[in-house]
Amino acid sequence: AQSVTQLDSHVSVSEGTPVLLRCNYSSSYSPSLFWYVQHPNKGLQLLLKYTSAATLVKGINGFEAEFKKSETSFHLTKPSAHMSDAAEYFCVVSSFGYNKLIFGAGTRLAVHP
Amino acid sequence: GAVVSQHPSRVICKSGTSVKIECRSLDFQATTMFWYRQFPKKSLMLMATSNEGSKATYEQGVEKDKFLINHASLTLSTLTVTSAHPEDSSFYICSARPPTSGSYNEQFFGPGTRLTVL
Repeated sequence: AQSVTQLDSHVSVSEGTPVLLRCNYSSSYSPSLFWYVQHPNKGLQLLLKYTSAATLVKGINGFEAEFKKSETSFHLTKPSAHMSDAAEYFCVVSSFGYNKLIFGAGTRLAVHP
Repeated sequence: GAVVSQHPSRVICKSGTSVKIECRSLDFQATTMFWYRQFPKKSLMLMATSNEGSKATYEQGVEKDKFLINHASLTLSTLTVTSAHPEDSSFYICSARPPTSGSYNEQFFGPGTRLTVL
């Protein structure tokens, strides 16, 4: 069975400070993991993906995530938040050969001046 | 590359009418497309998996006669909400999986369609 838990429903940071969005997953097989961002009333944009290559994955807009199998985690980080980063972020898991994506509940990131 | 479009972006209709939403993969062929529904401030819920040339596979609890899916070509899937009611109002998002995704199921998402049923 697969599942994904985003540990924070809301995260608030000041502009220029680091961002940490936490995600834990459960998967019976080798997982594929994704982070997507959704701005208000928009579709989803892929930030980055892990597909069993390097455990530290770099994505767009300065985001990166580290796959830690021992902790079953795939936390999203960014060294310095911008106002434009304010959005909803979804951690998503899929397994090798599995047809579906399993979405986390989402984390709303607010960035304050 | 890997762009997915949806049309319309917003639609308002009267209760009892039917609404068709189109999902197109613009620069790749997608044998599989997916339809999701998103309630306000909630995550995405998979409604159905659409396979080109065959019947869609619906998730448990999704009425197949209510939400008709047609995947007539490798670049187009349509979702028709039949006899729409106010409770069908939602944000509908499609995605398409390119052949290059291999077994990792990477999907590219459309911009979504906001349906409001009066």
